[in-house]
Amino acid sequence: KQEVTQIPAALSVPEGENLVLNCSFTDSAIYNLQWFRQDPGKGLTSLLLIQSSQREQTSGRLNASLDKSSGRSTLYIAASQPGDSATYLCAVKEDTGRRALTFGSGTRLQVQP
Amino acid sequence: ETGVTQSPTHLIKTRGQQVTLRCSSQSGHNTVSWYQQALGQGPQFIFQYYREEENGRGNFPPRFSGLQFPNYSSELNVNALELDDSALYLCASSRGEKSNTEAFFGQGTRLTVV
Repeated sequence: KQEVTQIPAALSVPEGENLVLNCSFTDSAIYNLQWFRQDPGKGLTSLLLIQSSQREQTSGRLNASLDKSSGRSTLYIAASQPGDSATYLCAVKEDTGRRALTFGSGTRLQVQP
Repeated sequence: ETGVTQSPTHLIKTRGQQVTLRCSSQSGHNTVSWYQQALGQGPQFIFQYYREEENGRGNFPPRFSGLQFPNYSSELNVNALELDDSALYLCASSRGEKSNTEAFFGQGTRLTVV
């Protein structure tokens, strides 16, 4: 059974810092990995999608890497801003019959002005 | 903002009642998935529909059921509501059955069971 773990569970940083969020998964048989942002009480906003054959994806100040063989992904946020405060979730899409996304519990990020 | 819309946004039901939640998928997307998110947790997969057929299911009891319509919109039905069913219910749409494409989520329906 696929399990996804995100470390740390919560993070508070001053504005302007570069930071790294970690995601690990137990089964490397995945189609892809997706990073999401969730504001309190809201739905999920897709940030980056990395296919299983890719090593990284970039969008603006965000860079996500994938090491499928070791079951790890990182989300790098450059020059953090107060507007980046949210919960960040990673999810892997199974390469099995269920075709489901399996999520971690998220990292709650607070960027202090 | 994605093209996935869910209704209603909030709902309060009494234990034992039944509820129907609705989701309109993004244009061009024929696959819809439903997730349950308890407070402080990541979303948990309920089931997925592709071209009106259920093609994947998580560890949820049969009282959780669904439908997908010819226009690819979808419903989630929950019978005999329990207090633990209180959660944010999220709908996601994507293109294709065994799809590598991005999943887009709606804003969710907050269900409270009292």
